Amino acid sequence: NAGVTQTPKFQVLKTGQSMTLQCAQDMNHNSMYWYRQDPGMGLRLIYYSASEGTTDKGEVPNGYNVSRLNKREFSLRLESAAPSQTSVYFCATTLSLSYNEQFFGPGTRLTVL
Amino acid sequence: SQQGEEDPQALSIQEGENATMNCSYKTSINNLQWYRQNSGRGLVHLILIRSNEREKHSGRLRVTLDTSKKSSSLLITASRAADTASYFCATVGQAGTALIFGKGTTLSVSS
Repeated sequence: NAGVTQTPKFQVLKTGQSMTLQCAQDMNHNSMYWYRQDPGMGLRLIYYSASEGTTDKGEVPNGYNVSRLNKREFSLRLESAAPSQTSVYFCATTLSLSYNEQFFGPGTRLTVL
Repeated sequence: SQQGEEDPQALSIQEGENATMNCSYKTSINNLQWYRQNSGRGLVHLILIRSNEREKHSGRLRVTLDTSKKSSSLLITASRAADTASYFCATVGQAGTALIFGKGTTLSVSS
């Protein structure tokens, strides 16, 4: 029972490159989230998926796309990375929307040069 | 935009002392949650308090909620070095779509 897993743990990109951050959960949760964490900013919501087949924008969606591949997996794609996207990215899950506690993955530290 | 604002931003105490962190928010909520983040790790849920509750306990943690003042406090009693971490409050609005996090309080407990 791994909980919430994220790959990769670290990544360095050059400006303009693309990449996909992967998130998988084995908790049978319906809702999944992507956050970014910047120093002094707390966590900000990028996109979320209330249930399989649905996705919605959060507070800072520009420059990102998401795919809810199935109930277990929720990926975040950067089509053309920019230095402003240097951050730590966290995936989280909850049983249903945000009425319950969220379970977080270990994070992906991304640097865009 | 941030909903919750924690206060203080940083707190340094000795082992055995109590630590109190405060959170203020702006709009009506369904519930308020507190999370801990150890350096370089993901967030871990500590406690959830619903809008119709005023106080909740979990081990050495005590959380209060005052919806009239739109504020909450987290008290950690008899702090330990292992409590050193950042603590975040997060609110869930009435629509319940997402958590909105504050910027966090960094707690340092020295032995």
